[in-house]
Amino acid sequence: GAVVSQHPSWVICKSGTSVKIECRSLDFQATTMFWYRQFPKQSLMLMATSNEGSKATYEQGVEKDKFLINHASLTLSTLTVTSAHPEDSSFYICSARDGHTGELFFGEGSRLTVL
Amino acid sequence: AQSVTQLGSHVSVSEGALVLLRCNYSSSVPPYLFWYVQYPNQGLQLLLKYTSAATLVKGINGFEAEFKKSETSFHLTKPSAHMSDAAEYFCAVSDGQGGSEKLVFGKGTKLTVNP
Repeated sequence: GAVVSQHPSWVICKSGTSVKIECRSLDFQATTMFWYRQFPKQSLMLMATSNEGSKATYEQGVEKDKFLINHASLTLSTLTVTSAHPEDSSFYICSARDGHTGELFFGEGSRLTVL
Repeated sequence: AQSVTQLGSHVSVSEGALVLLRCNYSSSVPPYLFWYVQYPNQGLQLLLKYTSAATLVKGINGFEAEFKKSETSFHLTKPSAHMSDAAEYFCAVSDGQGGSEKLVFGKGTKLTVNP
């Protein structure tokens, strides 16, 4: 079946540094990718929607300059958490929509811990 | 706006017993409804989805859900629980445009299966 891979799975960084998380669709072209944030024992909150070659659409309350999203190709989207702080610690999950079938697939998630 | 309410943040059943996870939705347009399962520190896996076809939807791992418009419900059931079913379950709704646009998730229900 279709696979969406996120890297890294775990990342620990110091406060003030930037962290990049990659989301790749391994065997299909993803015209649209979604980035979610999940706090412990809570649901997934949509952060932004990214379409290949265009600017991401952010949900209300999500800081665009804080969470930079790039969708440079049909198989790769990146989320960069800039100047990370402990409150940014969370589980970040991406999903990718297959441009041909419309099916949606989720990545395995990336756990960010900011010290 | 769409929303999902999952009744019961925790459900505990004995192995072999019926599993019933409740989900009610709110949508101003005919909804597409989904159930996802999440194992610890992993992404989401689609169990089943309703896309305006048959109201009784069968999914993977023996799960099924029934769409009841009059009750705005989409409860998830499994006749006999297995230890491997222990996980977090999320109900989600979309507006049906393409069937896989933005998903709005419920808060999740953690299923525990006792031996």
